[in-house]
Amino acid sequence: QSVLTQPPSVSAAPGQRVTISCSGSSSNIGSDFVSWYRHLPGTAPKLLIYDTYKRASGIPDRFSASKSGTSATLGITGLQTGDEANYYCAVWDSRLSGRVFGGGTKLTVL
Amino acid sequence: EVQLVESGGGLVKPGGSLRLSCAASGFTFSKAYMNWVRQAPGKGLEWVGRVTSNSAGGTKAYAASVRGRFSISRDDSGSTLFLQMNSLKTEDTAIYFCATEVDLTTAQDYWGQGTLVTVSS
Repeated sequence: QSVLTQPPSVSAAPGQRVTISCSGSSSNIGSDFVSWYRHLPGTAPKLLIYDTYKRASGIPDRFSASKSGTSATLGITGLQTGDEANYYCAVWDSRLSGRVFGGGTKLTVL
Repeated sequence: EVQLVESGGGLVKPGGSLRLSCAASGFTFSKAYMNWVRQAPGKGLEWVGRVTSNSAGGTKAYAASVRGRFSISRDDSGSTLFLQMNSLKTEDTAIYFCATEVDLTTAQDYWGQGTLVTVSS
């Protein structure tokens, strides 16, 4: 059970907008920068967002992120079938003295 | 071109040991903070551990699930990262990835293709 809680799955139609939440605590999201990754099993994860809000190189502005208190959110607009993947939040946890990933959210583009 | 190439994975019995390597090229390895991340079959991503650059003290940190059994080291002269895994358990079965932390100048991090470790009798 991860210290970061994500919904197991989200879905939306092509062209629509979806948000993925990541809930943590004061020792992680509440006090450090959040990253977001897209991942297809068996392949290397791809960095989407770092330092909570910043898009990684080559990531289109369809991807955005926000944070409020101990929760973070990834938003994806103009959904494409190619966006189907698992999405993970990640952050350093000062209480655990280590990095933690959320449990992952499977995005389905209907 | 940045490349990270993991090797050393394979089949090992419970209680056994294995040493993974991650050969790096295309960037200044000695300045990079390096991580190991794994994905068990049907599970999500799990951070395994990290080592900072030697100029930052070479500090190591580990996930609770591997602390005391796994050890990260680095050879800056050979641009190689290592993960020594001892007292392996069946639940350590996973694809192991090495990865850099985000390079703020390029706004990217870099990952290897992963190496599969299977712990089974």
